[in-house]
Amino acid sequence: DAGITQSPRHKVTETGTPVTLRCHQTENHRYMYWYRQDPGHGLRLIHYSYGVKDTDKGEVSDGYSVSRSKTEDFLLTLESATSSQTSVYFCAIMGPHNEQFFGPGTRLTVL
Amino acid sequence: DQQVKQNSPSLSVQEGRISILNCDYTNSMFDYFLWYKKYPAEGPTFLISISSIKDKNEDGRFTVFLNKSAKHLSLHIVPSQPGDSAVYFCAANSNSGYALNFGKGTSLLVTP
Repeated sequence: DAGITQSPRHKVTETGTPVTLRCHQTENHRYMYWYRQDPGHGLRLIHYSYGVKDTDKGEVSDGYSVSRSKTEDFLLTLESATSSQTSVYFCAIMGPHNEQFFGPGTRLTVL
Repeated sequence: DQQVKQNSPSLSVQEGRISILNCDYTNSMFDYFLWYKKYPAEGPTFLISISSIKDKNEDGRFTVFLNKSAKHLSLHIVPSQPGDSAVYFCAANSNSGYALNFGKGTSLLVTP
């Protein structure tokens, strides 16, 4: 257990509304990641962070922004949600041997 | 462009037999490879990894084999158990990168 929690676990929202997903870790890991999982695509990296206020884009970053003001929290924001952002979102941290450990996921539905 | 490929979307194996899950990659800069297991409604769970300096790594019932010349790796599960039924993801990264590149997954069903 890498001490990763995600909130909310489920969310239904409407197109055009802003949404923020939270990832919280308790073990002071430097690297944190946001992925989305969709059928037929596996897991794809949205954004990642390599320290407080240090973030970078991943493969599918369009329409998403992130913030990391504290080591323990990594926020993913959809400024104006679209139906194509309906997905399951996973947060991850990097372990001591470059493996990544994942949170339980957030299922987001955009109507 | 998918750099990590799992060409078998699904696999069915009888309990007690060997399960072999395959993965191919295209990026010769990848030097670290991982397998994850995922149950429905849960996050992926790290299973086993292998560095490019090795060709085999074993952990209990799970063994990963790496063939660098063929850019191919495989996960062997022996003996397979019904609780192994899950989606298995292959992933890779390079020393200079921080993100994992995932395959699309293989759904394993172990039948009694």
